[in-house]
Amino acid sequence: DAGVTQSPTHLIKTRGQQVTLRCSPKSGHDTVSWYQQALGQGPQFIFQYYEEEERQRGNFPDRFSGHQFPNYSSELNVNALLLGDSALYLCASTPRLGTSYNEQFFGPGTRLTVL
Amino acid sequence: DAKTTQPPSMDCAEGRAANLPCNHSTISGNEYVYWYRQIHSQGPQYIIHGLKNNETNEMASLIITEDRKSSTLILPHATLRDTAVYYCIVRVNRNNAGNMLTFGGGTRLMVKP
Repeated sequence: DAGVTQSPTHLIKTRGQQVTLRCSPKSGHDTVSWYQQALGQGPQFIFQYYEEEERQRGNFPDRFSGHQFPNYSSELNVNALLLGDSALYLCASTPRLGTSYNEQFFGPGTRLTVL
Repeated sequence: DAKTTQPPSMDCAEGRAANLPCNHSTISGNEYVYWYRQIHSQGPQYIIHGLKNNETNEMASLIITEDRKSSTLILPHATLRDTAVYYCIVRVNRNNAGNMLTFGGGTRLMVKP
């Protein structure tokens, strides 16, 4: 059983460009959350998707947007990239609603570098 | 969700028990204590969680004080592979929509030979 997968693993962009990151949740999981982790810091919650809708959002500007597809996979889009967007972007998935087990499963992340 | 305080770093000798403390003095009655760890260049990994009773699984033990204002994660026989940043997180157990994690700085545990 594959865990959470993310693509690409590394990405280099320049300021002002747009980027799309992709995530496939663990089998049987229907909720996907995205986190940003700057170097030397803990992950910061960006937003969460469930039933193809954004359900919760952290303190991130509208330049950060997302999407969830019917197969539960998800995309994170960042527009007008800034140098400060350079970070490790983590995707986490959670089992189906109603499951008592509340663990989040994280993918390996996408390392984004903005030059 | 309640805030947590952890030491920024700790060392442990290989084969010895690693005891990682966490203070959460403002914890509410319905908030759980979660521990995750992040090995270098990987995503965080769930370790254990508890409400008020001590918990043990194949990875670790979680000891929560009676007043629930602090807890200790115990790795009984630390190995070099346990070198990682350990995060203590306090939060209510919600439905999937709303179960995001709020990470602090964590404790960087270095297991030495």
